[in-house]
Amino acid sequence: QVQLQESGPGLVKPSETLSLTCAVSGYSISSGYYWGWIRQPPGRGLEWIGSIYQSGTTYYNPSLRSRVTISVDTSKNHFSLKLISVTAADTAVYFCARLVVGFNYFDCWGQGTLVSVSS
Amino acid sequence: QSVLTQPPSVSGAPGQRVTISCTGSGSNIGGGYDVHWYQQLPGTAPKLLIYDNNNRPSGVPDRFSGSKYGTSASLAITGLQAEDEADYYCQSYDSSLSGHWVFGGGTKLTVL
Repeated sequence: QVQLQESGPGLVKPSETLSLTCAVSGYSISSGYYWGWIRQPPGRGLEWIGSIYQSGTTYYNPSLRSRVTISVDTSKNHFSLKLISVTAADTAVYFCARLVVGFNYFDCWGQGTLVSVSS
Repeated sequence: QSVLTQPPSVSGAPGQRVTISCTGSGSNIGGGYDVHWYQQLPGTAPKLLIYDNNNRPSGVPDRFSGSKYGTSASLAITGLQAEDEADYYCQSYDSSLSGHWVFGGGTKLTVL
């Protein structure tokens, strides 16, 4: 059974960099699928941040592209998110998920981690 | 402003049938891309509820069904139960500059 688990600091200062990692268990990232990050500001809806394939091919939400980097480490079976120059508007629960490309849906999700941006 | 438009809220009494609409455009739903639905119970991660317009993952009751027509889609829930109270999100793929994988703004279902 595939499981995803986000980890990283729960508090980030404005203008600094948000860094999160998603550890995947029960499935090898090298075997295929795309992997993605989605966020949800408090009380609001879901926003796709970006996705990555095992090869390192990435796709980013145009509204965040200038600040986002997603990378994958197949040796550790995890993928990561970096968001630079954060502001209070980046406060959200961040989810990682597996993306079934070709069919374009997210079939497995992590539990999510709340990241607050505050000084 | 979400690329896919959903009503903010719907409600129904136990046992009733409710529907949630999801309206897109020619670059996503109308462009032939499938619609998927997620259920998010309070304080939890979204869970895939319907994929490829009208398919249910294993374990999802057949009270949940989906349909797609033109630039819109719909989620129907029959025999409403208290545990169905949750937020529901539609999702599709968008081929325009607005992004790749896009979500609706979400609909809060209240069971009266």
